[in-house]
Amino acid sequence: GESVGLHLPTLSVQEGDNSIINCAYSNSASDYFIWYKQESGKGPQFIIDIRSNMDKRQGQRVTVLLNKTVKHLSLQIAATQPGDSAVYFCAESRGSARQLTFGSGTQLTVLP
Amino acid sequence: NAGVTQTPKFQVLKTGQSMTLQCAQDMNHNSMYWYRQDPGMGLRLIYYSASEGTTDKGEVPNGYNVSRLNKREFSLRLESAAPSQTSVYFCASRYQGSLGETQYFGPGTRLLVL
Repeated sequence: GESVGLHLPTLSVQEGDNSIINCAYSNSASDYFIWYKQESGKGPQFIIDIRSNMDKRQGQRVTVLLNKTVKHLSLQIAATQPGDSAVYFCAESRGSARQLTFGSGTQLTVLP
Repeated sequence: NAGVTQTPKFQVLKTGQSMTLQCAQDMNHNSMYWYRQDPGMGLRLIYYSASEGTTDKGEVPNGYNVSRLNKREFSLRLESAAPSQTSVYFCASRYQGSLGETQYFGPGTRLLVL
């Protein structure tokens, strides 16, 4: 079936560097995309979202880019901090009930 | 605001036992969702409730039932637990408005079925 997937299962970056986490989606009908952060033992925490009529959206230290041509999402984290270490999921939303389909996640580790 | 709360936090069941996972939200959201998360994987939708009084199946509904008790509460019931239902269960409610349509998640219930 159609799904959202991630390119890399793990990513290690030095503290202070920028991080880029990638995600591919396959359902062209999806019109809303979200990035979640999940720390160990906790529920997913909303980071940033983007609608399909946008290419880029910026938040505090985070930017999401959407390339509909190749069905690709990315999450950029500026000046990565130890507190950013977590699993990051992309999710796509579609349908009248706005169900989320999640990717399998990328483990981000920030090295001192 | 407490957001989305779930009880219990942990539960161990024997095969064949039943239990109900409770979820409540105090954000006045119409839509609520139940997901399960298996180790190293993303969340998969079990059931959802688009509004009070309605429920629908998600991707993996077999072995589960739900009840939307009122606008605040959405419970998930396992009638006869199986080891394959060992997982972490997350409840979510969805904000929809001028700021977007974000789903907010509870802290999860960790279930082990022996």
